Amino acid sequence: DAGVIQSPRHEVTEMGQEVTLRCKPISGHDYLFWYRQTMMRGLELLIYFNNNVPIDDSGMPEDRFSAKMPNASFSTLKIQPSEPRDSAVYFCASRPEGGSDTIYFGEGSWLTVV
Amino acid sequence: GENVEQHPSTLSVQEGDSAVIKCTYSDSASNYFPWYKQELGKRPQLIIDIRSNVGEKKDQRIAVTLNKTAKHFSLHITETQPEDSAVYFCAASTNPGGAGSYQLTFGKGTKLSVIP
Repeated sequence: DAGVIQSPRHEVTEMGQEVTLRCKPISGHDYLFWYRQTMMRGLELLIYFNNNVPIDDSGMPEDRFSAKMPNASFSTLKIQPSEPRDSAVYFCASRPEGGSDTIYFGEGSWLTVV
Repeated sequence: GENVEQHPSTLSVQEGDSAVIKCTYSDSASNYFPWYKQELGKRPQLIIDIRSNVGEKKDQRIAVTLNKTAKHFSLHITETQPEDSAVYFCAASTNPGGAGSYQLTFGKGTKLSVIP
């Protein structure tokens, strides 16, 4: 399996622009997570889905952030409008329904908002 | 919700020495405790995990211990090597109930430096 696939790997954008991050989970995994990593706050869970349904979005910082999972193999995290404080690494991760509780991370999307 | 505290935030050891990283958790319902290693610019990757029905688990030079009563767990790395230098994260997970519910809470991480 190719693992969790994220795009873009790196993005530099101007403040006020819309940013869309994409994720393809591991095939057969029923859970999908979006995390944000910064030096100050570490790894923060933003939102997670189970069977394409958002279960907990309490970590989404504000209305500028939104996430969707239209099908089992694709999810997006959108920031509109972006701000410099959104600069971070955004990780997508997935996990199967049963069996191991392990979650598997993608390579991350490195976002810089200038 | 769950709260995971991790110490120390930075750790430097001489090559060949042992390193110990400690974590505490708050939710007694937590039942799965993974450890992730993140090298610079890379993704976090699972290195070892332990479930609440086990007190200790070992895999070559790394081991994890769990004390459910005290709600703390530790990572032990013996005979450290320069390639062990990375940020290590502990985490605790539980299924709090409700359809599809799952929680995995991470500690803030420990930056381990192994000095040759």
